Amino acid sequence: SAVISQKPSRDICQRGTSLTIQCQVDSQVTMMFWYRQQPGQSLTLIATANQGSEATYESGFVIDKFPISRPNLTFSTLTVSNMSPEDSSIYLCSGRTSGSGLSYNEQFFGPGTRLTVL
Amino acid sequence: DAKTTQPPSMDCAEGRAANLPCNHSTISGNEYVYWYRQIHSQGPQYIIHGLKNNETNEMASLIITEDRKSSTLILPHATLRDTAVYYCIVGGSGSARQLTFGSGTQLTVLP
Repeated sequence: SAVISQKPSRDICQRGTSLTIQCQVDSQVTMMFWYRQQPGQSLTLIATANQGSEATYESGFVIDKFPISRPNLTFSTLTVSNMSPEDSSIYLCSGRTSGSGLSYNEQFFGPGTRLTVL
Repeated sequence: DAKTTQPPSMDCAEGRAANLPCNHSTISGNEYVYWYRQIHSQGPQYIIHGLKNNETNEMASLIITEDRKSSTLILPHATLRDTAVYYCIVGGSGSARQLTFGSGTQLTVLP
């Protein structure tokens, strides 16, 4: 499976500022996703990052708050804008290739970025 | 995607088999059962998946009931490093498939 790295691994930010998280995959992937994991909770899908077009956001998440870029098949960024303490979470990048037919393609995850907003 | 129900926590003695149950009574005919685990401070890791038949790989075995309404993940010889949150996920296999995580089971392997 591919290896995903994220930068930064953690950060502490002030209220009202923005942070951009970078996700780099060591091989080309068809699908890339961004998840959020709040303290003690499960993962929640934020959006699907589409190459060369606008990301597809899940209910409750909007582009103005979480702008996403995906310029190529190995890289994506997630920005957390105008942060508040409620945005303190782990943000995880995920990738998956697509095979033909119904063949399964493993979805793999980065180590996450731990964000604390003061 | 169908909803899954898992016990919130389980303990297992080191070296013994860990059997993690999952109920997915609303699963549809073309939906797979996937298992992932998340070790503390790491991203989720794929374990195994199946549709109808039982499956085995180097990490675990997956037993799916004949009616497909429930399944069990088996770690045959649990070690301390298997302590993690285990997620049972049900969904399609298409390229646009999204993984929807439930609350999972916290498995603690005891020495």
